[in-house]
Amino acid sequence: GAVVSQHPSWVICKSGTSVKIECRSLDFQATTMFWYRQFPKQSLMLMATSNEGSKATYEQGVEKDKFLINHASLTLSTLTVTSAHPEDSSFYICSARDWGGGLFNEQFFGPGTRLTVL
Amino acid sequence: RKEVEQDPGPFNVPEGATVAFNCTYSNSASQSFFWYRQDCRKEPKLLMSVYSSGNEDGRFTAQLNRASQYISLLIRDSKLSDSATYLCVGMNRDDKIIFGKGTRLHILP
Repeated sequence: GAVVSQHPSWVICKSGTSVKIECRSLDFQATTMFWYRQFPKQSLMLMATSNEGSKATYEQGVEKDKFLINHASLTLSTLTVTSAHPEDSSFYICSARDWGGGLFNEQFFGPGTRLTVL
Repeated sequence: RKEVEQDPGPFNVPEGATVAFNCTYSNSASQSFFWYRQDCRKEPKLLMSVYSSGNEDGRFTAQLNRASQYISLLIRDSKLSDSATYLCVGMNRDDKIIFGKGTRLHILP
């Protein structure tokens, strides 16, 4: 299947700092990528849909000024957590759809980034 | 009713046994369903797509029951390596993918 990478895989930062997470589709072009957050023992919650060349679409309750998304190319989307606080500590996962002409919109996930804010 | 709902478990099953779990969904118009597997501290990985006619892949069988709005996953001859969280995935009315909270499965030696 298609490969999606994320960087970094884990990060520890101080409260108040900003953290950037990169999501790359390595062997396909993704006009749309998705950012999820997963708290311990919880489901993946969609935060936003990242659209190449246009603004991201945020889910209800997700602050767009706090979680900045940039999708500058067909293979790269970035999520910046601005002024991170301990409650932002979570597992952030990106995904991308590789339509490939298939009937089903399978998503391929990056390996995730574990953010810990002290 | 939640859009995608699963029994969180855990299901503790002896190795070699058959285990099945269901997932209910609220969007009757949803056309796409999937089962994903997620290991601890890892990203979800697609296990199976769920077709209207059912889908079998080795020891795994997925079925869709539209009348009762649920999908099921059956695992036969369970292995220790099957221990994981199984995520049910459907689509909501805005055509966005919605994950269930997952069902934890522990295969016991």
